[in-house]
Amino acid sequence: ETGVTQTPRHLVMGMTNKKSLKCEQHLGHNAMYWYKQSAKKPLELMFVYSLEERVENNSVPSRFSPECPNSSHLFLHLHTLQPEDSALYLCASSQEGFPNSPLHFGNGTRLTVT
Amino acid sequence: SQELEQSPQSLIVQEGKNLTINCTSSKTLYGLYWYKQKYGEGLIFLMMLQKGGEEKSHEKITAKLDEKKQQSSLHITASQPSHAGIYLCGADMGAGGTSYGKLTFGQGTILTVHP
Repeated sequence: ETGVTQTPRHLVMGMTNKKSLKCEQHLGHNAMYWYKQSAKKPLELMFVYSLEERVENNSVPSRFSPECPNSSHLFLHLHTLQPEDSALYLCASSQEGFPNSPLHFGNGTRLTVT
Repeated sequence: SQELEQSPQSLIVQEGKNLTINCTSSKTLYGLYWYKQKYGEGLIFLMMLQKGGEEKSHEKITAKLDEKKQQSSLHITASQPSHAGIYLCGADMGAGGTSYGKLTFGQGTILTVHP
């Protein structure tokens, strides 16, 4: 299997639930990202992990908690979300040390918070 | 206002027609990336431009970065239904101070191609 794989593809959760999104990359990259894509808004960078250390946290609410156990896996733990958190969550990877290395994206998880 | 402005926001063309999508910034761009997205799916990398005046082509898609590195255009020649989707530009808005890809994206251009 190649590329960036995200699971699940679709997720419906209540405001009191706890769930996790998973991302796995098979490209040998060492930087991983979470982006949020809401309707009629540009992609928003949420978190960046470079060499397994979090290097960016763009004022994301604490109800979103990322985890990067190794350079191939990235998780986004979700708890007590709000309906406005409904969006497409995209994971991406790239090669750290090469600023012009393009981001490779997964197909995303469509999250609906009820 | 957004850091990267794309125009038009949506575009409907007849198959076989040429079209252009623009991406404009008020700041110098340190690397400009074009992506294509099918609705509800991930982004597919198309091309990257770095140098002012640079132009790249892939099949029927050509992208250019102007000399001042503040605007890029994506041109599709003889459009086909397979070109339909959302086109997004992404750019490194900093001065190259990070070694990872911290990209800011435009809001996207929705392209519909009628057969």
